[in-house]
Amino acid sequence: SQQGEEDPQALSIQEGENATMNCSYKTSINNLQWYRQNSGRGLVHLILIRSNEREKHSGRLRVTLDTSKKSSSLLITASRAADTASYFCATAANTGTASKLTFGTGTRLQVTL
Amino acid sequence: DAGITQSPRHKVTETGTPVTLRCHQTENHRYMYWYRQDPGHGLRLIHYSYGVKDTDKGEVSDGYSVSRSKTEDFLLTLESATSSQTSVYFCAIKEVDNQETQYFGPGTRLLVL
Repeated sequence: SQQGEEDPQALSIQEGENATMNCSYKTSINNLQWYRQNSGRGLVHLILIRSNEREKHSGRLRVTLDTSKKSSSLLITASRAADTASYFCATAANTGTASKLTFGTGTRLQVTL
Repeated sequence: DAGITQSPRHKVTETGTPVTLRCHQTENHRYMYWYRQDPGHGLRLIHYSYGVKDTDKGEVSDGYSVSRSKTEDFLLTLESATSSQTSVYFCAIKEVDNQETQYFGPGTRLLVL
């Protein structure tokens, strides 16, 4: 399995601070995605970065990808209480059009006022 | 939730009984997926479908079967439920062939006693 590992498992910060979470994976990928999951809900897609990209931004999110180290990081700037959730990375291998995703174990982010 | 519903949302059953979970989508997307989510494991792919009557196994398919007799419904069946199948089950869809983002349903919480 090329399941990713995420680090840290849990992160607690204050509102306004930046949150950084990391993802490592094992095999070659086509792209890497980040998802957010609020408690008791389904996952919501945040951002996708392709294997030939090194950095991508979307609003307060910044994702980096280092394919040589097989790792990615997600930075959330100026965090808000509403950012409290679990965050998962997911890697997509080149398996034709079915695009199966392999998920990491997640980082639980708690943002306090 | 991209027009994805799951039923039932909660179920309690006994070991050895058959259980069927339903995923319904309203937008005729070709690709559908079933995952289970367990603490410490993230999401793991059980089965997926790339069209009516076209399905394939995922990472943790043992003890599960699926059927897709029409585009909008993807059924997951536990032939004889075991306590190890207690989990939260998520259905997901992928909208188009060349897009790799998946959209998730709200989940079904299954408890096998």
